[in-house]
Amino acid sequence: DQQVKQNSPSLSVQEGRISILNCDYTNSMFDYFLWYKKYPAEGPTFLISISSIKDKNEDGRFTVFLNKSAKHLSLHIVPSQPGDSAVYFCAASRGTGFQKLVFGTGTRLLVSP
Amino acid sequence: DSGVTQTPKHLITATGQRVTLRCSPRSGDLSVYWYQQSLDQGLQFLIQYYNGEERAKGNILERFSAQQFPDLHSELNLSSLELGDSALYFCASSVDVGGTDTQYFGPGTRLTVL
Repeated sequence: DQQVKQNSPSLSVQEGRISILNCDYTNSMFDYFLWYKKYPAEGPTFLISISSIKDKNEDGRFTVFLNKSAKHLSLHIVPSQPGDSAVYFCAASRGTGFQKLVFGTGTRLLVSP
Repeated sequence: DSGVTQTPKHLITATGQRVTLRCSPRSGDLSVYWYQQSLDQGLQFLIQYYNGEERAKGNILERFSAQQFPDLHSELNLSSLELGDSALYFCASSVDVGGTDTQYFGPGTRLTVL
């Protein structure tokens, strides 16, 4: 049972344009959501997070949007840069007690010059 | 560099064997988490330790076990290995037990079972 889904395995974007990565979840108990970025031969790196009490969180070029009613979140990268090329994982947790992260399968982003 | 170290980087072994993966958390972090990433899959949570005590269990097989030592490093033991155990194994650490603590990941150990 895949509780966190990233339905697009890959995305190609031109440098300077917006990248939008999507994530859907099924468990309504999730209340904390994160995005991780992963380069080859490295572990995932935390990028940005959002609590369920908010619908938007921004950090520089990265913005995460949360639509609780649709159980959907998205990561916007503006403007996209070639160095953003990586695999992006969406993750969710119940936020309190213990932090077992449930990860999506990832979306490979390629930003071309 | 996340500050989390994992050894070895690569491990090749045969079916039926036993291996030990090692993780050193970031300085000051008390929680250690283990994840498994199989081909084209997301990371699957295996187990969490906090200050030496098991805190949470995920999809960890009975053939797998882990522990966290007094110096807070952790080991993941995989026994009676099967072909399907071939995967990337990641360790992560965080300051506390949960809430919204950021988990910092190590570079992973790639296990290949032949």
